[in-house]
Amino acid sequence: DVKVTQSSRYLVKRTGEKVFLECVQDMDHENMFWYRQDPGLGLRLIYFSYDVKMKEKGDIPEGYSVSREKKERFSLILESASTNQTSMYLCASSPSSGGPLFGPGTRLTVL
Amino acid sequence: QKEVEQNSGPLSVPEGAIASLNCTYSDRVSQSFFWYRQYSGKSPELIMSIYSNGDKEDGRFTAQLNKASQYVSLLIRDSQPSDSATYLCAVNIGNYGQNFVFGPGTRLSVLP
Repeated sequence: DVKVTQSSRYLVKRTGEKVFLECVQDMDHENMFWYRQDPGLGLRLIYFSYDVKMKEKGDIPEGYSVSREKKERFSLILESASTNQTSMYLCASSPSSGGPLFGPGTRLTVL
Repeated sequence: QKEVEQNSGPLSVPEGAIASLNCTYSDRVSQSFFWYRQYSGKSPELIMSIYSNGDKEDGRFTAQLNKASQYVSLLIRDSQPSDSATYLCAVNIGNYGQNFVFGPGTRLSVLP
């Protein structure tokens, strides 16, 4: 069963900690995405990647960085977590044509 | 600013009725359009893709696209309580091949 997996479903971190969110897809998709979803604000794109080692900023990249060293893996890094980064984080991948397929999400709480 | 708008909800329909969900987009060069269903606490699930003008049917779902009017809709026939969810419209604005903009979603309630 093809899918996108994320390393954690729930995560609690403290302000100032460095946070790594991992995402792996087994569909050989070229494109991978990180979104965050907040009530009333919808899905907002943080970063996306269309190839290994390539990354492009989305709408809200501030406070985040990403890494794509292998085609199947796309990591989101919060360099110094802040309370306003408490959110649901959704990873997705898509082929060269076709809509993104989402992982289950990671609900991150920053205290 | 490329935008995707959806009819505000929540939308309530009785079981067995047709639910109609609407989406408009601002980017005229968009070529591909998607509908997602998202249950509360879950991630979005892709249910329909449409690329050319006209209708596309898949079971109880029909997507309709009118590029001239920059309008895409989703019809759900014979609505069931299990269809109660938030429906998201997504448009590929394709600045780098694949770049998707999502609408805010419409919450649908199907009443038994």
